Parts: sequence; structure tokens; C-alpha cells
Amino acid sequence: QKEVEQNSGPLSVPEGAIASLNCTYSDRGSQSFFWYRQYSGKSPELIMFIYSNGDKEDGRFTAQLNKASQYVSLLIRDSQPSDSATYLCGTLSGNTPLVFGKGTRLSVIA
Amino acid sequence: DGGITQSPKYLFRKEGQNVTLSCEQNLNHDAMYWYRQDPGQGLRLIYYSQIVNDFQKGDIAEGYSVSREKKESFPLTVTSAQKNPTAFYLCASSEGLWNTEAFFGQGTRLTVV
Repeated sequence: QKEVEQNSGPLSVPEGAIASLNCTYSDRGSQSFFWYRQYSGKSPELIMFIYSNGDKEDGRFTAQLNKASQYVSLLIRDSQPSDSATYLCGTLSGNTPLVFGKGTRLSVIA
Repeated sequence: DGGITQSPKYLFRKEGQNVTLSCEQNLNHDAMYWYRQDPGQGLRLIYYSQIVNDFQKGDIAEGYSVSREKKESFPLTVTSAQKNPTAFYLCASSEGLWNTEAFFGQGTRLTVV
């Protein structure tokens, strides 16, 4: 059974701080990794994806991947109250659709 | 505008009824998916389809059925065999099954009354 683990939170950070969201996965065959943001009652929206070890930056967001440790993270710099949402980590291997973790709820306090 | 359209947004079902949730995409994507989300839970895969006239069971397919007669459409039927159907249902699509991101519709919230 392929599993993706996330701390359910809530993770509370003050406005302007860095929020760090973590995800571990069990399938060593996982090749692609995705971070989705989901506001309450809404559908998930893609924030970032990463395929290679290392960091990938897009605006205030940085995704970090370490395949040896089977670990992927999302950093949000200068956190804003509008970033308050549930963040879903998803992994994709060669022959199966996206598998998601249960998500981490982030609360940015103004 | 390209996107994925799910309908209806809210659906109420009586015990013992079958209901069908619609999902249409105009992104020319080959792969389509149905996920179920329960409160405080992640997304669990019900069914997926890589091409027209082909689909595969996901982790929780029991009590559900799908069809893929057209590339653009992937309807989900929740049958009376599904014992606990109240949930948020999400349809998604991607260019292919591998190494491509999935995009979601706005979801259908199904409630059994």
C-alpha cells in the first residue's frame, strides 16, 4: 500500500513568518511530487510540482525534495492570512494515479 | 475558458437511490479521475481512466460505477450498494497518467437524506 504521510496540524504561524509543511512517502518508485492548496469547502488547486532532488522556487513558495530520505516539503515565505488553508501533498509513480496525504491545515495569524 | 466542470454542486439522495455525478473537461486531457473526500481526510481514489472506453478501479471502487464513452466526459454513478455515500466528490483530469499534474473540478457535495 503506497502511503503519503502529513502532519494534520493545525500549524499556526504569525503573519510574515515562514511556514514549513512536510510530507513523507513510502513508495520509492515515486517520481513526481505535487503540492495542492485547498480552502475550506473548495476543490484543491495546484501550487507547485517537483521532479528532481533539490529546491524549486516559485514566488513565495519553495518545494524541496529528498528522494533518498523519501521526504518532500513546501516552504511559504512571508506568510499571509490568505495562505490559511489545507495543503495536500501528492505523489505519482510510473503506473498509478496521484496518491494524496490527508493534508496539513495551516493557520496564519494576523 | 478551458477547465473541468462538475455538476451539480450539491446533490441530495434518498436511501436506496442511484445518483449520477457529471464531470466534463475541455482541456483535451486523456486521463480523468474521481476522488472522494470525507471531513478531515485526504483524497481517496474511486476510479480512473487513461483513455476512452477504458477505466480502472481505485482504492474504494465498491458501490460506484463509471463510464468513459467520450474523451471529455467521465460520469460517476453512486449506487445503492455504497453504504456511506455522503462526501465531497472531486473529478480531476491530466494530460496523461504519468508525470503530469492533475487539475480539479469544483466538486459535488452529496448528502444522503
